[in-house]
Amino acid sequence: GNSVTQMEGPVTLSEEAFLTINCTYTATGYPSLFWYVQYPGEGLQLLLKATKADDKGSNKGFEATYRKETTSFHLEKGSVQVSDSAVYFCALGSSGSARQLTFGSGTQLTVLP
Amino acid sequence: DVKVTQSSRYLVKRTGEKVFLECVQDMDHENMFWYRQDPGLGLRLIYFSYDVKMKEKGDIPEGYSVSREKKERFSLILESASTNQTSMYLCASSPQLPGTDYGYTFGSGTRLTVV
Repeated sequence: GNSVTQMEGPVTLSEEAFLTINCTYTATGYPSLFWYVQYPGEGLQLLLKATKADDKGSNKGFEATYRKETTSFHLEKGSVQVSDSAVYFCALGSSGSARQLTFGSGTQLTVLP
Repeated sequence: DVKVTQSSRYLVKRTGEKVFLECVQDMDHENMFWYRQDPGLGLRLIYFSYDVKMKEKGDIPEGYSVSREKKERFSLILESASTNQTSMYLCASSPQLPGTDYGYTFGSGTRLTVV
């Protein structure tokens, strides 16, 4: 079955540091890949997505590239801000008839001023 | 702006009460989901629905039931609330095949405390 493995947290960085949150997946076929962000006390929001191999999703300075050869979709940002402090979830959507997304366990990011 | 609306942001209920959590979406989505989120446990699927009057158990359905009488509304019911149901509850919706491109749209969550 499908599965998503995320980098264990929590991650603590100083403002303007470089961020990488690792995400690898197991799936059959050609899934779509998503990153969601959850700010404190809120629901999840879609941050970015990629629907086929070598696609790069980007939003708010965050980027992730769909790497089929390494089954990865790592989230990166060149210079984090305090306002990026949140929980980040990687998710996979099957290209078949499945109606559900598979979520990773989430990574807590704290950015210190 | 498309939206999933959960009726309450915070709820405090007593042990043994029957609790209703309501979720409404305005996107004409077929699929709706209820998750609970607890520290260190990620998102756990309670129930989901692919159509009106249809429901499917998720990973942790015990102690919960659901109702979907209209396409836009999906209710989670705690038949007899217990303290171990204190949690953040998240509703989500998606079009028929979310994995192809769309993903889910989530509500803002309901933080339920059972005392």
